[in-house]
Amino acid sequence: EPEVTQTPSHQVTQMGQEVILRCVPISNHLYFYWYRQILGQKVEFLVSFYNNEISEKSEIFDDQFSVERPDGSNFTLKIRSTKLEDSAMYFCASSDPGGANYGYTFGSGTRLTVV
Amino acid sequence: QQPVQSPQAVILREGEDAVINCSSSKALYSVHWYRQKHGEAPVFLMILLKGGEQKGHEKISASFNEKKQQSSLYLTASQLSYSGTYFCGITGTSYGKLTFGQGTILTVHP
Repeated sequence: EPEVTQTPSHQVTQMGQEVILRCVPISNHLYFYWYRQILGQKVEFLVSFYNNEISEKSEIFDDQFSVERPDGSNFTLKIRSTKLEDSAMYFCASSDPGGANYGYTFGSGTRLTVV
Repeated sequence: QQPVQSPQAVILREGEDAVINCSSSKALYSVHWYRQKHGEAPVFLMILLKGGEQKGHEKISASFNEKKQQSSLYLTASQLSYSGTYFCGITGTSYGKLTFGQGTILTVHP
């Protein structure tokens, strides 16, 4: 079964450092998303991406965050200057071109710890 | 606006049934249901579009009441593997962002 692949699985970084989280969505999917989940809490939407541009973003997704699809297969989330409160599990997801009729496939996540 | 799930937690014995509810105050296009095991990614169970259809997936089914903006997930003859946190997610349009509820923790004991 097709998978969404995320790397790294764990990332520890110092406060103020930049991190890049990487994702390879399912190849025929056209819609891509980043979500995050602080330990024990609900899954929160960050951003959606379609046709090489952001289609929607949440209040969490401020100027410190950016997304990119640099080469047609990878989809990255960059946090420019990490804060302690950015510590969370970050999930990438993609959805089928049929969109409404299929659910999102989530990657296994990157656990980001900011120290 | 975040959908509201109830109950917050359910404890079952194997073979028992459970219902998890999800309600929204805004008009919905679709309701998704996911199950998340500890430390893992949410796994898609099913999607319901407005129109009130009921869908099934093994012994797990769901309904969507468009008038009430509510969805219910039905788990029958529960198995140990059903344990996890169940999230509903709602969209206002097709391809739109998923807004998740706070989750319902389901624990199935032997």
